Amino acid sequence: GAVVSQHPSRVICKSGTSVKIECRSLDFQATTMFWYRQFPKQSLMLMATSNEGSKATYEQGVEKDKFLINHASLTLSTLTVTSAHPEDSSFYICSARAPSRGYTGELFFGEGSRLTVL
Amino acid sequence: AQSVTQLGSHVSVSEGALVLLRCNYSSSVPPYLFWYVQYPNQGLQLLLKYTTGATLVKGINGFEAEFKKSETSFHLTKPSAHMSDAAEYFCAVSDQGRSFKTIFGAGTRLFVKA
Repeated sequence: GAVVSQHPSRVICKSGTSVKIECRSLDFQATTMFWYRQFPKQSLMLMATSNEGSKATYEQGVEKDKFLINHASLTLSTLTVTSAHPEDSSFYICSARAPSRGYTGELFFGEGSRLTVL
Repeated sequence: AQSVTQLGSHVSVSEGALVLLRCNYSSSVPPYLFWYVQYPNQGLQLLLKYTTGATLVKGINGFEAEFKKSETSFHLTKPSAHMSDAAEYFCAVSDQGRSFKTIFGAGTRLFVKA
């Protein structure tokens, strides 16, 4: 299957700092990537849809100034958590579609990034 | 709007027993349906998917699911559970429109007893 790589897998930061998480499609081009947030023992909550070369589309209730998304190339999307606070601590997962492999809606997921804000 | 309901947040079976994880969906358009598995501190891996055609779909690790339009269900089954099947399972639905957003159910944690 298509490979999506996420980095870092774990990050600990101090309150008030910013953290960047990278999501890369390694063997395919992804015009669209999705960022999810997962709270402990809960499902995935879609935060935003990242579109290459254009602004991200945020879901209702997600602060776009807090969670900056940049999709500058067909293989890289980044999520920056700005001025992080303890309540931003969570597991963030990116995913992408691989249209070149048949557009059947399947998502390919990164390994996830666990953010802990002290 | 689409939604997914997974019945039972926890399911416990004995090794070798039948696994049945329930999923019902709501969609105003023909859906694409998926089951994903998540192991601790990892991303999700696709188990199987239904798009069109045969309603009984087979996936990896011996899992299969049947799309029943009349019941709006897509239950996941495996004839014989293995210890390695213990994980979190998510049912998901995606539309075929421009957004192709994927909505996930709440998840079902499968426990397998020796």
